[in-house]
Amino acid sequence: QKEVEQNSGPLSVPEGAIASLNCTYSDRGSQSFFWYRQYSGKSPELIMSIYSNGDKEDGRFTAQLNKASQYVSLLIRDSQPSDSATYLCAVFRDSNYQLIWGAGTKLIIKP
Amino acid sequence: GAVVSQHPSRVICKSGTSVKIECRSLDFQATTMFWYRQFPKKSLMLMATSNEGSKATYEQGVEKDKFLINHASLTLSTLTVTSAHPEDSSFYICSANRREPNYEQYFGPGTRLTVT
Repeated sequence: QKEVEQNSGPLSVPEGAIASLNCTYSDRGSQSFFWYRQYSGKSPELIMSIYSNGDKEDGRFTAQLNKASQYVSLLIRDSQPSDSATYLCAVFRDSNYQLIWGAGTKLIIKP
Repeated sequence: GAVVSQHPSRVICKSGTSVKIECRSLDFQATTMFWYRQFPKKSLMLMATSNEGSKATYEQGVEKDKFLINHASLTLSTLTVTSAHPEDSSFYICSANRREPNYEQYFGPGTRLTVT
């Protein structure tokens, strides 16, 4: 079992709809979780961080964390073609400050 | 968000030469920086963890004598690809941990290395 798992996609969503991206992790002791967006040929960009159970909203983005189920999700409301990218889920490892990465989900927003 | 710069953004070098890539955290101090490489359409691969004032920690399979890392200050880490070969051509990306508030990791824009 991989430490951080994501569906590789592609996930195709019509413009204006809600895109839902999911991530599960194996280390029950994990405390910090991050979502990054990576456009093709570019470096990852941090878009959301979440540390407590529940929802955290920032503009059109909402991160959701459920530690009991070891599940993190990212919702993108009113999806735009510019949201088309690969979304990477990352879990912080306290012991060496590293991020453990999911393989990423490719999101395609269709006009 | 915090700003991490990387230089150069693109470099072409001849086989056998060395290339140095700089990574700077511009508005925060980073005791820990990371170096990744990424091949087209592939996942990020962590190469090494760079710690200010101490030796870098390399991931399994990464040759420390080929990929020299120096973390000279709290805002600067360098990666030198020595005796580069065409198979070293890749996208190299650095990142830096911002300790406050929660060790968020910010990435530089990356360096595209082409070895001819």
